[in-house]
Amino acid sequence: RKEVEQDPGPFNVPEGATVAFNCTYSNSASQSFFWYRQDCRKEPKLLMSVYSSGNEDGRFTAQLNRASQYISLLIRDSKLSDSATYLCVVNKRDSSYKLIFGSGTRLLVRP
Amino acid sequence: NAGVTQTPKFQVLKTGQSMTLQCAQDMNHNSMYWYRQDPGMGLRLIYYSASEGTTDKGEVPNGYNVSRLNKREFSLRLESAAPSQTSVYFCASIWTSGSRNEQFFGPGTRLTVL
Repeated sequence: RKEVEQDPGPFNVPEGATVAFNCTYSNSASQSFFWYRQDCRKEPKLLMSVYSSGNEDGRFTAQLNRASQYISLLIRDSKLSDSATYLCVVNKRDSSYKLIFGSGTRLLVRP
Repeated sequence: NAGVTQTPKFQVLKTGQSMTLQCAQDMNHNSMYWYRQDPGMGLRLIYYSASEGTTDKGEVPNGYNVSRLNKREFSLRLESAAPSQTSVYFCASIWTSGSRNEQFFGPGTRLTVL
């Protein structure tokens, strides 16, 4: 079983739609959680960290459920520019800061 | 401030050839990482360096060696390339502040081994 699992998609949605991605992680020692965005043939970039209380950044909302070992990302009012692959990432809080990546969920926003 | 830079951007090797992928960061970060990314899979950690002078194996270290030359530079060497090493390689460094951290990635090296 992979340590971080995501639905690969693709999610194909119209502009303006709300779309949600889910991610599960298997290691209960995981301490930090992130969503990274990766555009086609580009490097991953941090979209947002995920905090226990949940957090919002503009149209993006991230939630963490430690009991169920589950992370979510909600995108409201989707834009064409949101088309990308969204990577769920976790790490243990140790001195190495090693990240464990999910394989990503692909989002396609159509006009 | 260039961030994380990698060279080369593209490389084609024949089986058995060797090469070194170069990575440098100008953000004064202590820790640096090498990942590979294959289709349908997440990034997998090859090696990392928690600080200058130290290196440790990640999830998939076989067939690779690394050198942390100084705080800025972290190179990845393939001694005898194999087709299974065809992949996109990303170097990263990490910013940390208390409980917060963020990894910054280079643009990647696309390697094909024939």
